[in-house]
Amino acid sequence: GAVVSQHPSWVICKSGTSVKIECRSLDFQATTMFWYRQFPKQSLMLMATSNEGSKATYEQGVEKDKFLINHASLTLSTLTVTSAHPEDSSFYICSAKLPRTIDEQFFGPGTRLTVL
Amino acid sequence: KNQVEQSPQSLIILEGKNCTLQCNYTVSPFSNLRWYKQDTGRGPVSLTIMTFSENTKSNGRYTATLDADTKQSSLHITASQLSDSASYICVVSTSGTYKYIFGTGTRLKVLA
Repeated sequence: GAVVSQHPSWVICKSGTSVKIECRSLDFQATTMFWYRQFPKQSLMLMATSNEGSKATYEQGVEKDKFLINHASLTLSTLTVTSAHPEDSSFYICSAKLPRTIDEQFFGPGTRLTVL
Repeated sequence: KNQVEQSPQSLIILEGKNCTLQCNYTVSPFSNLRWYKQDTGRGPVSLTIMTFSENTKSNGRYTATLDADTKQSSLHITASQLSDSASYICVVSTSGTYKYIFGTGTRLKVLA
């Protein structure tokens, strides 16, 4: 149980375009999901906390107009990278908090974004 | 400042050998400590979780220890296999916000 999926697993786009990444909890409902980015040989950095039915909470330094998060249902959160630039190229990982636990998160497999 | 530091940064061992990875943290208030395995290009997968009162936790060939007094943890891998090649990340959770604070990871390479 507690499976989290992401789609797509990898995407290549041109500079200036927008890219949407989906995060789904497959076998449980997640009121809270998290979005992380990871640069090569570095650890995960929390970008934002996504709460179902409310606005996301962004970490300091993360542009909310650049990284749009929508958590419209209990099993789906989306991250849209708007007007992507090469410096946005990274590995984006989502996680979903298991309900009725204090902080148990299950991670998705990640999405590799390359902006040309 | 809440920080999690891991050592070594990278490690190469021969198949069948044992190894120990270290994690030091300065996180307060402490909730729990987890070890994750992250294969290249994949998301992290949980290996162990320990709360303040737990000293050791095993998961197959993985054994984690926690010394809450010195704020140190270790992950011991026994009889390593090629499939153990991955990054191992120590994650500490704070009580209250329950956010995850990630260590920088140890990249383990197991050679045949």
